[in-house]
Amino acid sequence: GDSVTQMEGPVTLSEEAFLTINCTYTATGYPSLFWYVQYPGEGLQLLLKATKADDKGSNKGFEATYRKETTSFHLEKGSVQVSDSAVYFCALRGSSASKIIFGSGTRLSIRP
Amino acid sequence: NAGVMQNPRHLVRRRGQEARLRCSPMKGHSHVYWYRQLPEEGLKFMVYLQKENIIDESGMPKERFSAEFPKEGPSILRIQQVVRGDSAAYFCASSSPTGRDEQFFGPGTRLTVL
Repeated sequence: GDSVTQMEGPVTLSEEAFLTINCTYTATGYPSLFWYVQYPGEGLQLLLKATKADDKGSNKGFEATYRKETTSFHLEKGSVQVSDSAVYFCALRGSSASKIIFGSGTRLSIRP
Repeated sequence: NAGVMQNPRHLVRRRGQEARLRCSPMKGHSHVYWYRQLPEEGLKFMVYLQKENIIDESGMPKERFSAEFPKEGPSILRIQQVVRGDSAAYFCASSSPTGRDEQFFGPGTRLTVL
């Protein structure tokens, strides 16, 4: 079945460092891909999405490109801030399904 | 436009009791999804409902768990005879009538079973 594998955490970086969180997926057809962010004690917020190959999703300085050839959707940010500290989830929705399948999450901590 | 609302935010039950979790979707949304998040894990799909219909319950445990989304009122996730392993955060999401649009998540209900 469809699945998502993402980089295990926790990841700790200094402010202004470059961030990459790796995500790969297994799915039939052409899934939609998402990154969600969960701040402490809160629900999930959609950070960005891409719905077809080579699409680049971007929001709040974060970017991810849908790479069908490598089945990847890595999250990147050029300069992280303390306020980016959260748990990040990579996810997919299959082309013929409505449910979202999530990775296990990556906890990110940014030091001032 | 109010977002997805869930209540209660925190629920404590003793083993053997019943837990009822409520979810009110965003205005105009008629599709509801329930997900469970165990500690330090990702979210796992449980059930997908439209008004008065269960569309996909492939993620629901076979016993003790049930869900409904009546014509009027919120969606309810019911857990009977709770056990410690049911302790988790339960998230509800809703989407527009096409069913394939973006899912908007509520703040979750954190269930603790003593």
